[in-house]
Formats: sequence, C-alpha cells, structure tokens
Amino acid sequence: DARVTQTPRHKVTEMGQEVTMRCQPILGHNTVFWYRQTMMQGLELLAYFRNRAPLDDSGMPKDRFSAEMPDATLATLKIQPSEPRDSAVYFCASGLVSLDTQYFGPGTRLTVL
Amino acid sequence: SQQGEEDPQALSIQEGENATMNCSYKTSINNLQWYRQNSGRGLVHLILIRSNEREKHSGRLRVTLDTSKKSSSLLITASRAADTASYFCATAHTSGNTPLVFGKGTRLSVIA
Repeated sequence: DARVTQTPRHKVTEMGQEVTMRCQPILGHNTVFWYRQTMMQGLELLAYFRNRAPLDDSGMPKDRFSAEMPDATLATLKIQPSEPRDSAVYFCASGLVSLDTQYFGPGTRLTVL
Repeated sequence: SQQGEEDPQALSIQEGENATMNCSYKTSINNLQWYRQNSGRGLVHLILIRSNEREKHSGRLRVTLDTSKKSSSLLITASRAADTASYFCATAHTSGNTPLVFGKGTRLSVIA
C-alpha cells in the first residue's frame, strides 16, 4: 500500500532554531506539494514541484522558508529561523500530472516556543 | 485567500441519517475534489468531479456540481460513526495535478 511518508511526525523547537521537515512521495509520482494547516487560515499551499522543478512557492515567506527536492524520493521544507507563528501542521502531498488526485502524508506537527 | 467555503461549519447527526455538506467557490475551475480528514491525520481523497460533470457517485457518497452557481454538495448516505471527520472541498483551476485551494471544512459528528 503506497503512502506518502513524512518525518518527523512531531517537532517542538525554540524560536530561532532551524527546522527541517522531510517527505517521501509515493514512488513514481511527479508532483509534490507542501501545505500548511492552521486553525485560523486552514490549508494553504506553500510550494509545488513538478518533476522536481519548483513551479510555485509564492505561499512561502522567502526570507525564512525554503523547499527543495534533492531527488525524486525526497522533498524537504526548511524554516530558518523558526518563529512561534510557524506553529502548524505541515503536510506533504504527491500525485501524478496525468491524474488530479493528491495523496497526503500524515503531516508534521510543528510547535515553535 | 480561500476559494471554497463549506457550509455548515459543523454538523451533528445520528447514525443512519444522511449528511449533506455544501461548498461554494469564487472563480472558474477545472475540477472540484472532496477530502476527508480524521482528527490528527492527513487528508484522504474521496471523490473528484470535473467542471463538465454534474453528478458523481462513489459508494455512499454523492457529489453534485453546479458551475452556474459555483457550488457543490457532498451527500453521505446512511452515515456511520466512522464517518466522523472533517470534510474539505478543494478546487483546481487547471488540470495536470495543480495546487488545490481548500475551504475551511465541515466538521461532521455521527452519533451512534
């Protein structure tokens, strides 16, 4: 049963620290998305990759967030420095260009103190 | 900004009853999707309906789409306690698995 995996599942850190979240998309999927979920804002797109190329990162604060796909099996989202307002659940999703369905990972719950 | 807006925000029903959730959106779309999220979990895709379709069924789920009103509804028939979750509509402006714009969801509670 193919699934999107994310690590870590939970992260508690102090303000100013670097946070790295990792995602392993479903093997063979060529689109990858990072979404952030908060009670106030709901689900928001942070970044979008197709065939490992970044297509849209307009949802990310560029001065502190960065998203990369070093290879087809790994996507990373980094926050440096982290701030309390970054506390949220970060989801990775993957899919195929030929199909419009997205498959979500279990999320990383980030708490910045 | 949010594209989809679900209504109601919360819904509580008895097991066996039908649950209807509505979604409205603002701009033209290629497709509209419904996802379910159990507490503390990721989102699970339920059903996709394209802009040229009016109705789709999947098991106990029925989705309608009215592009003239920019609205969709999700009907869950014969609800079960296991259907308790949050339900989100999400819209895509184009095909090709492009980013989805989510509403804030309807929280459904099915009481046994």
